[in-house]
Amino acid sequence: AIQMTQSPSSLSASVGDRVTITCRASQGIRKDLAWYQQKPGKAPELLIYLASRLQSGVPFRFSGSGSGTDFTLTIGSLQPEDVATYYCLQDYDYPWTFGQGTTVEVK
Amino acid sequence: ELQLVESGGGLVKPGGSLRLSCAAAGFNFNNSDMNWVRQAPGKGLEWVSSISSRSSYIHYADSLKGRFTISRDNAENSLYLQMNSLGAEDTAVYYCARANYGSGTYYGMDIWGQGTTVTVSS
Repeated sequence: AIQMTQSPSSLSASVGDRVTITCRASQGIRKDLAWYQQKPGKAPELLIYLASRLQSGVPFRFSGSGSGTDFTLTIGSLQPEDVATYYCLQDYDYPWTFGQGTTVEVK
Repeated sequence: ELQLVESGGGLVKPGGSLRLSCAAAGFNFNNSDMNWVRQAPGKGLEWVSSISSRSSYIHYADSLKGRFTISRDNAENSLYLQMNSLGAEDTAVYYCARANYGSGTYYGMDIWGQGTTVTVSS
């Protein structure tokens, strides 16, 4: 199975800061990677698919980049409502695999 | 409204069985690939299983060791997960989710249910 290594596991930043989360695949997965946001007690929500395509309705401060093995999720200007755990998921090959998650807090 | 509603969770003894259901509404379920994803208490997300729109392709997480079976009834707009030989490691919130698919490419799991909780305990 493809392993997804996400970092950092947690971070704390101030409102307005630029935040970057990385995800590394154990083998090349083209651009078959999605990012999900999960707020406490809620179901996950799709933010980004195909590494860089913004899901409809998602604020433009979220962006994704990368291909092959290295991917990045960026929050351009952190907002209080962005407090959540973020997960990457490779849907290149079965079994699909998630990263371990990154918990984002606001200072 | 695009909607997925899970049901069937509950408390079950180790070694027992449970069948989860997921009712879909507001989108073309018949043409949608569907998934189950679970989350153990305080842990991350784990993909469990996937089934294509006509049930032609089915996949499972390696960790399940053949204990779970995914199925669907397109006439009823419903997805199912039969879980057997349950152990404490299966305690989790189980989500159903639609995988947006087209032209040989997945566009993410874009519709999620609210989840149903399975607790395996004696």
